[in-house]
Amino acid sequence: IAGITQAPTSQILAAGRRMTLRCTQDMRHNAMYWYRQDLGLGLRLIHYSNTAGTTGKGEVPDGYSVSRANTDDFPLTLASAVPSQTSVYFCASSDEAGLGTDTQYFGPGTRLTVL
Amino acid sequence: RKEVEQDPGPFNVPEGATVAFNCTYSNSASQSFFWYRQDCRKEPKLLMSVYSSGNEDGRFTAQLNRASQYISLLIRDSKLSDSATYLCVVNIDRGSTLGRLYFGRGTQLTVWP
Repeated sequence: IAGITQAPTSQILAAGRRMTLRCTQDMRHNAMYWYRQDLGLGLRLIHYSNTAGTTGKGEVPDGYSVSRANTDDFPLTLASAVPSQTSVYFCASSDEAGLGTDTQYFGPGTRLTVL
Repeated sequence: RKEVEQDPGPFNVPEGATVAFNCTYSNSASQSFFWYRQDCRKEPKLLMSVYSSGNEDGRFTAQLNRASQYISLLIRDSKLSDSATYLCVVNIDRGSTLGRLYFGRGTQLTVWP
């Protein structure tokens, strides 16, 4: 693994189903983030984690949950998917404790379609 | 009002042209400024940070005007490979330990031969 990986690459999901998007980084970065990117709206922060064991809500957290059991992994869970959660999801990490001043490195994204 | 506003374009320019993108931000507490580049169906990647004194990286020049809350990116001698979406990004300190990055919607650039 080099950098940040996300899985799956893409997924079509029935509404009401539970789904976990996986994110793993091997850079030992403290901070990790989940964004969604929608046409015309840009990137919006869903949840973040300053360090292992802590998480926080971003701009659009409703319908999503995260956990940060260790430094490397930051999964995003949709408990009961709805069509409005159709989007491209990007995971990112940075070396500082979420101060936003350091470079954020992004994973390749997961394209999720909820029908 | 969005924290970061960009002209979405698209900008269509010939190879060799000079093109400039502008971005405004609404929060005077903004601390750090960046331009990211995003290729079609790919992840965003940092292009350059923007410093108060202005900075240059090869054909790319970024400038910041704090008084006007305005950021710019100038690309000289455009290449076909410059075709991408350019995201203006601002870090805003909310007074907590976490500063957040706010992304503009992006400006689309197409360079044609």
